[in-house]
Amino acid sequence: DAGVIQSPRHEVTEMGQEVTLRCKPISGHDYLFWYRQTMMRGLELLIYFNNNVPIDDSGMPEDRFSAKMPNASFSTLKIQPSEPRDSAVYFCASSSPLARVYNEQFFGPGTRLTVL
Amino acid sequence: AQKVTQAQTEISVVEKEDVTLDCVYETRDTTYYLFWYKQPPSGELVFLIRRNSFDEQNEISGRYSWNFQKSTSSFNFTITASQVVDSAVYFCALSEAGSGGYQKVTFGIGTKLQVIP
Repeated sequence: DAGVIQSPRHEVTEMGQEVTLRCKPISGHDYLFWYRQTMMRGLELLIYFNNNVPIDDSGMPEDRFSAKMPNASFSTLKIQPSEPRDSAVYFCASSSPLARVYNEQFFGPGTRLTVL
Repeated sequence: AQKVTQAQTEISVVEKEDVTLDCVYETRDTTYYLFWYKQPPSGELVFLIRRNSFDEQNEISGRYSWNFQKSTSSFNFTITASQVVDSAVYFCALSEAGSGGYQKVTFGIGTKLQVIP
């Protein structure tokens, strides 16, 4: 069974450009999370969805960030316009309360974003 | 508010030494879950263990063991006879239980473990 799939794995862009990160959760999982990992702040939850509906976006840093989940198998995190301080590794994770381990989250491999 | 503290930012040990990674947590809930995740150099986050607040039994899995002590709000992780493949960043995390559905998971800052051959 495939795990969480993220694309691209690496993204290098210039300041001011739009960046779109993609995620495919594990089939059957009804929760999807977007995290950002930096050296200074560690792993931060940006937003999460339940059944494709955004539940808590309080971690989204500012209006330049937006996330969508048009269906159960796909989500995007968009940054427009991007800034150098957005450089980080962005993780997508999925979970199901019915999973063996309650609240266990399954993480994707991450997208390493560099904004020049 | 829940909080997870991993005071050790980096640890270096020589292969075959034992090493303990500390984790101290804060929560106002009486029911909660604690986790450890491993992030190897390749970057992915790998789930290692979950412990719920009602189960204070220590757990051993091969060379890994976990010591949960509610009295000190600690959930420490010990690797016995460390190996180079154990080199990674290890995250401790806390989730408060709710009436159902997802409860926020708070991660510690991580401890980078380097095992020197």
